[in-house]
Amino acid sequence: DTGVSQDPRHKITKRGQNVTFRCDPISEHNRLYWYRQTLGQGPEFLTYFQNEAQLEKSRLLSDRFSAERPKGSFSTLEIQRTEQGDSAMYLCASSLSGSGSDEQFFGPGTRLTVL
Amino acid sequence: KNQVEQSPQSLIILEGKNCTLQCNYTVSPFSNLRWYKQDTGRGPVSLTIMTFSENTKSNGRYTATLDADTKQSSLHITASQLSDSASYICVVSAFSGGGADGLTFGKGTHLIIQP
Repeated sequence: DTGVSQDPRHKITKRGQNVTFRCDPISEHNRLYWYRQTLGQGPEFLTYFQNEAQLEKSRLLSDRFSAERPKGSFSTLEIQRTEQGDSAMYLCASSLSGSGSDEQFFGPGTRLTVL
Repeated sequence: KNQVEQSPQSLIILEGKNCTLQCNYTVSPFSNLRWYKQDTGRGPVSLTIMTFSENTKSNGRYTATLDADTKQSSLHITASQLSDSASYICVVSAFSGGGADGLTFGKGTHLIIQP
């Protein structure tokens, strides 16, 4: 396990379709985060999990967005009825709480384009 | 409101030259400050992390400084290489008792190294 992986790396979809992204964190990390990043901006926090529990959700996370981490390992982020404004890079990060630095390690991201 | 401001927004320099990127923050209570490098289409990768008591930290040709009194940080790149072309994001962490909202991201400085 060399780092955080995300799948797919790129997704093109038509407006109104549903999409699902997957994130596999570093195996011993108990925290997992989802961010959204648009061009020229820093990442914006969406939600995070500690083990399987979803502990925080941003106001950016509308009802069309749902995230799960059922077994405390990988996570999925689903966007229902996609809109053109959902086009962005979706980043996943993981960290080990109590490690001292709580440093988040980022995955390569999933680039979503909504036509 | 916690904020991180980075300057310049973008910078173009010739290969082999040095450059300095700036980060000003208003995050309280301050925990640590990180500089990330983000290649185009990839996730951010950590370069340095500094706590309140650290004034400078180096990672190869990258040297970060922190002035906790003026709430300013800089990232100095020495003898730039073409591979340094990327966005550099300043991230400041506040003591929040855990949780992702303890992180405030800057918008990044887009650095281009020209041959």
